[in-house]
Amino acid sequence: AQTVTQSQPEMSVQEAETVTLSCTYDTSESNYYLFWYKQPPSRQMILVIRQEAYKQQNATENRFSVNFQKAAKSFSLKISDSQLGDTAMYFCAFMRVYNNNDMRFGAGTRLTVKP
Amino acid sequence: ETGVTQSPTHLIKTRGQQVTLRCSSQSGHNTVSWYQQALGQGPQFIFQYYREEENGRGNFPPRFSGLQFPNYSSELNVNALELDDSALYLCASSSLAGTYGYTFGSGTRLTVV
Repeated sequence: AQTVTQSQPEMSVQEAETVTLSCTYDTSESNYYLFWYKQPPSRQMILVIRQEAYKQQNATENRFSVNFQKAAKSFSLKISDSQLGDTAMYFCAFMRVYNNNDMRFGAGTRLTVKP
Repeated sequence: ETGVTQSPTHLIKTRGQQVTLRCSSQSGHNTVSWYQQALGQGPQFIFQYYREEENGRGNFPPRFSGLQFPNYSSELNVNALELDDSALYLCASSSLAGTYGYTFGSGTRLTVV
């Protein structure tokens, strides 16, 4: 079974600084997708970034980038130039390519950006 | 394009009652997944529907059931409510492959008293 672990329940960062959120996962699959979702107080899960496991290049979306280490089964999220609006719960998620009828989530990291 | 909408936003039910939650999928999406998110935890997969058929189920008892309609909207039904069913219920839509991730609604907050 696939499991996703986020070892940092809470983190904080000063506005304009950089923060990295950690995620590890366990799978026997060789091809899969990884995602980071943001859940602000409005409750809606918002896709931040996705990574395809067969692509070695790390995904980047504006201020958000990932460090994908396939052999180590690690998928960290880096937020640069943190903004107050980045304050939210962040969830790492795993999905198989085949028989992909469920997306597995970690327990989340609560990020607070301080002014 | 419209996103995923869920109704109601909040609901209070008594233990033993039944509840129906509703979800309208994003335009162009044919697959709906339901998740239960307890306070302070990550979402847990309940089940997924594709073309009106259940396409996978998580570790939830049979009193959690669902439907998908021809327009791809969906319902989650929970019978014999228990206190532990109190949670945020999230609906997500996607293409069947889901390769670009899921689009989530804002959820229904269910409180069982």
